[in-house]
Amino acid sequence: DGGITQSPKYLFRKEGQNVTLSCEQNLNHDAMYWYRQDPGQGLRLIYYSQIVNDFQKGDIAEGYSVSREKKESFPLTVTSAQKNPTAFYLCASSSTTGGAFGYTFGSGTRLTVV
Amino acid sequence: GDSVTQMEGPVTLSEEAFLTINCTYTATGYPSLFWYVQYPGEGLQLLLKATKADDKGSNKGFEATYRKETTSFHLEKGSVQVSDSAVYFCALKIPPGNTPLVFGKGTRLSVIA
Repeated sequence: DGGITQSPKYLFRKEGQNVTLSCEQNLNHDAMYWYRQDPGQGLRLIYYSQIVNDFQKGDIAEGYSVSREKKESFPLTVTSAQKNPTAFYLCASSSTTGGAFGYTFGSGTRLTVV
Repeated sequence: GDSVTQMEGPVTLSEEAFLTINCTYTATGYPSLFWYVQYPGEGLQLLLKATKADDKGSNKGFEATYRKETTSFHLEKGSVQVSDSAVYFCALKIPPGNTPLVFGKGTRLSVIA
């Protein structure tokens, strides 16, 4: 079945460490996105990529980095520069095939700083 | 910039009550509008959408009408069930192509038996 896989489901990070969240899709979607979800804040866009080897900053990109070397993969690195990384992270992908816009979410990674 | 405003929650209703969750938007172009639902510990699932003015999206008993004159896309359901308890997000997208969705802050709904 086609879909988006995020791993791990739960992740713990020590202060000062970088961690990488995985996002893989087999939907053949061109675009991929990373959102951060905090209680009462809704979803805020971190980075997005509309095509391989290209990506754009979203509203809260500081302290995060991404790469898009393959169409299927869009990993997110939370660096030590991100001062408050504890949150729920959601990856999504989208396609406009046939003129219809489709947006699919993964099941999320919950990151906790310990 | 483009934005979405939803009514604050939480909303608590008894089973079989009528549900309305208000959503208004500000956009520079002619957006497509969406409602997504999130169950505990999961990602978001598309509930319904509308792509132009006066369109009505509907799914699983939920419906919303794209009102350009009031820039609104309110979510309604005639009779809620306990299984409808979740967080609901209103979102917009400016066409064309793969531009990011802009989300509201979400409204938590709790339905009690």
